[in-house]
Amino acid sequence: EVQLVQSGAEVKKPGESLKISCKASGYDFTSDWIGWVRQMPGKGLEWMGIIYPGDSDTRYGPSFQGQVTMSADKSINTAYLQWSSLKASDTATYYCARRGESYLFDYWGQGTPVTVSS
Amino acid sequence: QSALTQPASVSGSPGQSINISCTGTSSDVGGYNYVSWYQQYPGKAPKPIISDVNKRPSGVSSRFSGSKSGNTASLTISGLQVEDEADYYCCSYARNGVRVFGGGTKLSVL
Repeated sequence: EVQLVQSGAEVKKPGESLKISCKASGYDFTSDWIGWVRQMPGKGLEWMGIIYPGDSDTRYGPSFQGQVTMSADKSINTAYLQWSSLKASDTATYYCARRGESYLFDYWGQGTPVTVSS
Repeated sequence: QSALTQPASVSGSPGQSINISCTGTSSDVGGYNYVSWYQQYPGKAPKPIISDVNKRPSGVSSRFSGSKSGNTASLTISGLQVEDEADYYCCSYARNGVRVFGGGTKLSVL
């Protein structure tokens, strides 16, 4: 059974760094892209970017290029999303999702809520 | 890359059919047959309901169907049920691996 399990909720201060994770199981982690999606409180889904764990090829959405870094560790089937300096506007729930057949994000993690507040 | 345009809300009565539109440009919706739709309940992760414009993933009700004409994709839900009340998002492939979501549509079943 395919599963994506994300790390737990985070509360951070502006300027702090953060790395959240998405652990995959039930399929060949190196053969499917993993995408990240942001959902700010009460707002819609925003596509942040996508990474291919097989070779770490990464594509970022225009709004997120330079703002976050996506990475993957094949040895432990885990994808990461990180910030070097958080802002209050980064407060959101972040989802990881597997891109399966047909460009569809077919399996999703449960979401990681991130709160950035002084 | 601008978000795709969806109506903020639609409503219908049980048993009726509704359509949700998703308008983009020739660089996304109109340029590729890679439009997908997701259903999201409050506090839950999105669930895929349509891929490649009009394909239903395994286990998704046949009441959900998708189509596309030019730069506009559409999701149709027939035989509306109370449990269909949720938020719906379209998503299109754009270029170079980039995707874009619609702003989302809140469906109310009255």
